[in-house]
Amino acid sequence: QKEVEQDPGPLSVPEGAIVSLNCTYSNSAFQYFMWYRQYSRKGPELLMYTYSSGNKEDGRFTAQVDKSSKYISLFIRDSQPSDSATYLCAMSPPGTYKYIFGTGTRLKVLA
Amino acid sequence: NAGVMQNPRHLVRRRGQEARLRCSPMKGHSHVYWYRQLPEEGLKFMVYLQKENIIDESGMPKERFSAEFPKEGPSILRIQQVVRGDSAAYFCASSPTGDTEAFFGQGTRLTVV
Repeated sequence: QKEVEQDPGPLSVPEGAIVSLNCTYSNSAFQYFMWYRQYSRKGPELLMYTYSSGNKEDGRFTAQVDKSSKYISLFIRDSQPSDSATYLCAMSPPGTYKYIFGTGTRLKVLA
Repeated sequence: NAGVMQNPRHLVRRRGQEARLRCSPMKGHSHVYWYRQLPEEGLKFMVYLQKENIIDESGMPKERFSAEFPKEGPSILRIQQVVRGDSAAYFCASSPTGDTEAFFGQGTRLTVV
C-alpha cells in the first residue's frame, strides 16, 4: 500500500463547477499537508499549505484536512479552463523536510 | 524576487555520459531539495542539502548519483554514467528553513539516448 493514495483521474468538469480533489494516507504522523498544481511540463506550484486538521481558504481554493480519517481534500469553486492541470497532494511528518507526494489527479475544466 | 532557477531545462545525454543539473534557490533560501518525477508517477524525494552540507540523501541511488550545495554558487545534482532509466524530470525546491513550505523550480528534463 502506498503511503499516499490519489485518484489519477482524469477528471472532467464544466466551467463554473465545484471541483473536489482528494488524497488518503496511511501514516498518522503526517502533520503538514500541501497541494500543488502542475501544468504540463512545468514545475509544481504551491497552492495551499496547512498544518494539522481543519480548513483553510484562499480565494477560490479551500483545503480540508481530516486527520481522524486520514483524508485531505482540495475544493476549487467556480472552476475555470485555466485550472486544467495536474493537482498533487503532498504531506510530511513534523520535523522533516521529506514530502511524500501523491501521483496527482489530472483535471480538465471544459469551456 | 526570482523563483527557483534550474538549468538546463532540457538535457540529452548518451548512455555512459555524465549529466549535471543546476539549481539556484530563491533569494534568502538556504535549504535545497531534489526530487525526481518519472512519467505517470509522483515526485520522489532524493536529497536534502543546506549550504556545504548534505543533510539527508536517503532517496538517492547508492551509485552514480551525487549532490552538492557549495558555499558559493548553485546546487548541483550529478549523475555519472547515465542509463536509460535515469530519464526523468528532476525538480529542485528550496525553503528558508527546513520545516516550512518548499517552492519548486521548473525542472530539468533529462533524456538518455
